[in-house]
Amino acid sequence: KAGVTQTPRYLIKTRGQQVTLSCSPISGHRSVSWYQQTPGQGLQFLFEYFSETQRNKGNFPGRFSGRQFSNSRSEMNVSTLELGDSALYLCASSLGRGRADTQYFGPGTRLTVL
Amino acid sequence: GQQVMQIPQYQHVQEGEDFTTYCNSSTTLSNIQWYKQRPGGHPVFLIQLVKSGEVKKQKRLTFQFGEAKKNSSLHITATQTTDVGTYFCAGGGNAGNMLTFGGGTRLMVKP
Repeated sequence: KAGVTQTPRYLIKTRGQQVTLSCSPISGHRSVSWYQQTPGQGLQFLFEYFSETQRNKGNFPGRFSGRQFSNSRSEMNVSTLELGDSALYLCASSLGRGRADTQYFGPGTRLTVL
Repeated sequence: GQQVMQIPQYQHVQEGEDFTTYCNSSTTLSNIQWYKQRPGGHPVFLIQLVKSGEVKKQKRLTFQFGEAKKNSSLHITATQTTDVGTYFCAGGGNAGNMLTFGGGTRLMVKP
């Protein structure tokens, strides 16, 4: 089975721009979660989508949004980029059965904001 | 909200020495998961513990879940250079599907 894929792998943007990141989950997985990873803050949960609905949300500003499509693929959008948004953005897919689900992470998108 | 703390943040060991990382939650957990992230890589699932007092072993790795289901530990016996990476614990709460990750322990092994 193919793993979780994320595109693009690297991205450089300037402040004020917006960005869209894409995640394709493992086949059969219905849940996709997004995380922001920075050296200082570790892995911070952004949101989780299940069956095209946002099921859980972390403590991030409204500039961060996401969606999920009927094929479970997910996109994450960050508007009005700030320098502090520079990070590795990881998506993780799971079966979506509940809180005991194993998360399968993709390779991440490295976003640099200049 | 739920917070998961992990200590230490960093650990340097000589190859062959043992290593332990500890994970503490502010609330009772339904389960705890452990992940390993190699340098430049992404987190990879290692194991999940669900029962109070549970102990699981994977070769040189021993995982424990506390009796009160608020803490956990990962112990590596006789570390090897292949153990290098950051080890994260992630706690599942009793409401919602969210996993809360600890800050991770970065393990460095000197050959």
